[in-house]
Amino acid sequence: GEDVEQSLFLSVREGDSSVINCTYTDSSSTYLYWYKQEPGAGLQLLTYIFSNMDMKQDQRLTVLLNKKDKHLSLRIADTQTGDSAIYFCAEKGGATNKLIFGTGTLLAVQP
Amino acid sequence: DTEVTQTPKHLVMGMTNKKSLKCEQHMGHRAMYWYKQKAKKPPELMFVYSYEKLSINESVPSRFSPECPNSSLLNLHLHALQPEDSALYLCASSQDGTSGHSYTDTQYFGPGTRLTVL
Repeated sequence: GEDVEQSLFLSVREGDSSVINCTYTDSSSTYLYWYKQEPGAGLQLLTYIFSNMDMKQDQRLTVLLNKKDKHLSLRIADTQTGDSAIYFCAEKGGATNKLIFGTGTLLAVQP
Repeated sequence: DTEVTQTPKHLVMGMTNKKSLKCEQHMGHRAMYWYKQKAKKPPELMFVYSYEKLSINESVPSRFSPECPNSSLLNLHLHALQPEDSALYLCASSQDGTSGHSYTDTQYFGPGTRLTVL
């Protein structure tokens, strides 16, 4: 199957770290992505990781990939109120070239 | 420049109207996509064009008709829609619609058109 699951909601305080988790089922996925969607807006690509990597860091963002457990996470350091949004993980590769999105996690940042 | 533009931003139409959504990119991408997104849900793929040819149609009803006049433009023609078709319609583009172990073919999204069908 190609189900990609995320927890629905995460609340953090401004300045704390946020960790958003994602599990997927297609072990042949080649690339995994994180997109951010603010209210009423389109999807903004944040970062992606190739399946033979286990970590990627980009400024405040750290992506961890555990391929054995098919688990992907996005850590946002020093979370700001502007980080409040829905975060979607997505996988691509395997049997098709389509992008399969996760269910989305709503991140709420409390001042 | 990773910008994909979409017009209009908002559209309200009756069930007997005919309207079109437009999408444009100037990144030299050869693959373009239409997605439908309902509130609090992930985007659902509708159509993919690769090199101006329709390569994927995800069993979308014929009241949605895509068109790719050239490699920079993608239209979605709407006719006889139903209220349940109300949603955010997102356009995306990528380099060529393929990917492999050394090439990601990342999709870049536009801001969407918020469609309301009365």
